[in-house]
Amino acid sequence: NAGVTQTPKFQVLKTGQSMTLQCAQDMNHEYMSWYRQDPGMGLRLIHYSVGAGITDQGEVPNGYNVSRSTTEDFPLRLLSAAPSQTSVYFCASSYPGLIYEQYFGPGTRLTVT
Amino acid sequence: AQKITQTQPGMFVQEKEAVTLDCTYDTSDQSYGLFWYKQPSSGEMIFLIYQGSYDEQNATEGRYSLNFQKARKSANLVISASQLGDSAMYFCAMSGPGPSSGGSYIPTFGRGTSLIVHP
Repeated sequence: NAGVTQTPKFQVLKTGQSMTLQCAQDMNHEYMSWYRQDPGMGLRLIHYSVGAGITDQGEVPNGYNVSRSTTEDFPLRLLSAAPSQTSVYFCASSYPGLIYEQYFGPGTRLTVT
Repeated sequence: AQKITQTQPGMFVQEKEAVTLDCTYDTSDQSYGLFWYKQPSSGEMIFLIYQGSYDEQNATEGRYSLNFQKARKSANLVISASQLGDSAMYFCAMSGPGPSSGGSYIPTFGRGTSLIVHP
């Protein structure tokens, strides 16, 4: 099992550019989510999905878009990159339920100049 | 809305000593789950321990234990016999009620505590 994979690992964008962060999992998890991690702020939820075709907003959704066409994939799109989106992005997946821990990808470090 | 508070931005401990990392939470739900994750300097997120709101006994996993005080809404992580490899960021998280209660199981995270273990 590869677990949760994310690509790319590092990315530098110019302000206004768009890009897609890829996330895939091979554990047949229904739940997938995207977090951003900034110093002193912990992990903040951007968007999440409870199954294929179903997505919802988290705490900090502005400037990001998601879709979930398959159980395995959950890409995060930056529509028009801004310096405030410089962060480390984590994708996570889990089974549905209170008791299940999140499985995290290795993260993508994004810098917007 | 759920909220997790970790009031210790940084903690120091001597190798082989025990350390407690604080976590308090706020929720009006009766069913919830509490988690601790470790993030070493390499960046990956590692699940450590889980406690359910209805569990009467404190969870333990090797050198990790969760001191769960439901009335005080606290879920402190205790690391016994600290090792140099325990130096990392530690995050407390809480999962809430599911879709049947109008929520999702997606957890909320605290801001983290940086632990440094001194030799």
